[in-house]
Formats: sequence, C-alpha cells, structure tokens
Amino acid sequence: EIVLTQSPGTLSLSPGERATLSCRASQSFSSNYLAWYLQKPGQAPRLLIYGASSRATGIPDRFSGSGSGTDFTLTISRLEPEDFAVYYCQQYGSSPVTFGQGTKVEIK
Amino acid sequence: QVQLQESGPGLMKPSGTLSLTCAVSGGSISSSNWWSWVRQPPGKGLEWIGEIYHSGSSTYNPSLKSRVTISVDKSENHFSLKLTSVTAADTAVYYCARLSPADYMAFDIWGQGTMVTVSS
Repeated sequence: EIVLTQSPGTLSLSPGERATLSCRASQSFSSNYLAWYLQKPGQAPRLLIYGASSRATGIPDRFSGSGSGTDFTLTISRLEPEDFAVYYCQQYGSSPVTFGQGTKVEIK
Repeated sequence: QVQLQESGPGLMKPSGTLSLTCAVSGGSISSSNWWSWVRQPPGKGLEWIGEIYHSGSSTYNPSLKSRVTISVDKSENHFSLKLTSVTAADTAVYYCARLSPADYMAFDIWGQGTMVTVSS
C-alpha cells in the first residue's frame, strides 16, 4: 500500500498569501494518478487537481499542482477567504487507492 | 449534470449489516466511469472502501475486503454498499463518488455524504 504523507499538518496564513502544500509518497507511482481535493466543514471533498497538474472544471488558476515520482506539491498563489479548508492528496497509481491525512489551511 | 445521492440508515447496532445505496441522476451508471464508496470517521481523514464498474467488476480495500460487497443495479441506475459485522469503528460519514478515467481516475463527483453511527 502506498502511504501518502502530507505536510505541514496545519498552515496558518493570511488572505493574499501564498500556500505551498506537500504530499510525499512511500513509493513511486505514475504521476498521472495523483489528485488533490479541498474539503470544507460539513461538505464533501471537491476535486481541485487531477493528473498531478491539471485543474478540474471550474477551479480558478490560483490553484496549481506539480511533482512526480514521490513528491507532489499543491500551490495556492494568493489565498482567498474561501480557500481556508482542509486539503487532501490521493493516489490511484497502485491499489488500494489511498489518501493523505490532510493539511489544514487556517486563517492566521 | 451528474449528481449522486446516498441513502441508508443513520443508526445501527453492532454486529449488524450496513446497507447504503447511491442513486445516480443526470447520467447513466453504464457510462465509462467507475463508482466508488469512501468513508470518513468523525474528525479524521478519508478512506477508500471500494469501487465497481457497470459490468459488475469490483475492487475492494484489503482492510475491509472480508466484510464489503459493492453491487450495481443498472435498471435502477444506482449502486450499493453492504458492510457486515459492523462495530463502533465503522462509524463515519459514507460518501459515494464517481471515478473518472478522463481525469486519471480522480473522484470528480461526490454525493453529499450520509452519517452512519454504530452504537448499542
């Protein structure tokens, strides 16, 4: 099973600042199968990025994904108030499907 | 636009069998997508339970495989989850979600989730 480790656990930032979230895999897999999600309290996760770097439909261009092999990054160029939430990475490169434990982006 | 809606009991007793259904609207369950269940214990992260194709081909998380069955009903355009021998550890919000091959097997559509509590 591929273990995804996200860091940091919590990121305290102000609106307008840049956020950089990390997702590290315990073993390499095809970067095509790495996705990022945003989850707000009481809501289902929402797909942000698929294929490591492609934005999902309707996702603003302040969100970007990068990485390959075992190291992946989600960058939010300028935080908007609605971006403060929990972010998860997920892989489908190797069964079983696994998720990272999440990074909470909170208002400083 | 495809939408998913979970339904099932909110409260269960230990040792029982959890049964949930996910209704697919706005599209066909026989499309080229896979259909999945994901759960989230209170205050914790996401856990993949398993997935199914409209042909009936399915894959399960090894950690739950002995207790899980996912099935599809094309005539009703829905898919279902059965989890046997439930315990308090199975208390969670259960989501159904679509896996999209076009998006490299990302979960592109989610239901709103249904909370299941296992308690005596």
